[in-house]
Amino acid sequence: DAGVIQSPRHEVTEMGQEVTLRCKPISGHNSLFWYRQTMMRGLELLIYFNNNVPIDDSGMPEDRFSAKMPNASFSTLKIQPSEPRDSAVYFCASSLYRTRQHFGDGTRLSIL
Amino acid sequence: SQELEQSPQSLIVQEGKNLTINCTSSKTLYGLYWYKQKYGEGLIFLMMLQKGGEEKSHEKITAKLDEKKQQSSLHITASQPSHAGIYLCGADIYTNAGKSTFGDGTTLTVKP
Repeated sequence: DAGVIQSPRHEVTEMGQEVTLRCKPISGHNSLFWYRQTMMRGLELLIYFNNNVPIDDSGMPEDRFSAKMPNASFSTLKIQPSEPRDSAVYFCASSLYRTRQHFGDGTRLSIL
Repeated sequence: SQELEQSPQSLIVQEGKNLTINCTSSKTLYGLYWYKQKYGEGLIFLMMLQKGGEEKSHEKITAKLDEKKQQSSLHITASQPSHAGIYLCGADIYTNAGKSTFGDGTTLTVKP
């Protein structure tokens, strides 16, 4: 079975550029989560969706961050404009409602 | 995360030794998950505990949930170098809607 698929695996870009991270959840899962992980702050939940609807975006750090889920099989996390402090590993996870989350391999983002 | 506290923060053990990692919640637990990760890589699901007193084992790893104490422990018997990594507990502590909060992780090093 295909797991959660994230792209790209690595992204290096200059400050001020727009960054788009992509996620394909496991087929049939109805919840999707975006996390950010850094050494300083650990694993932080940014936003999560149930049935393609954003339920809680309280973890989104600033208006520069936005997330969409246009359909059940695709989600994006966008940062515009990007800043060096956004450098982190970004994870997407999906689950069936009220069950454990399946994580993707993450996108390692470096903003120069 | 302040809602979930893991201890110890890091652990170095000799191969063959037993060890325990604890995860304590400041709020009611609706579900408790244990994951293993190598930094920057995806989280690998280990176990899920949902009922007070529940205990699960997988190979040499055992996890227990003490609902009254709002605490879970992860015990590794006869540790091996392959057990090295970061162990994270995640819990549904606000609702049982599948939104998990994660602890800061315990970094385990196993010396051969």
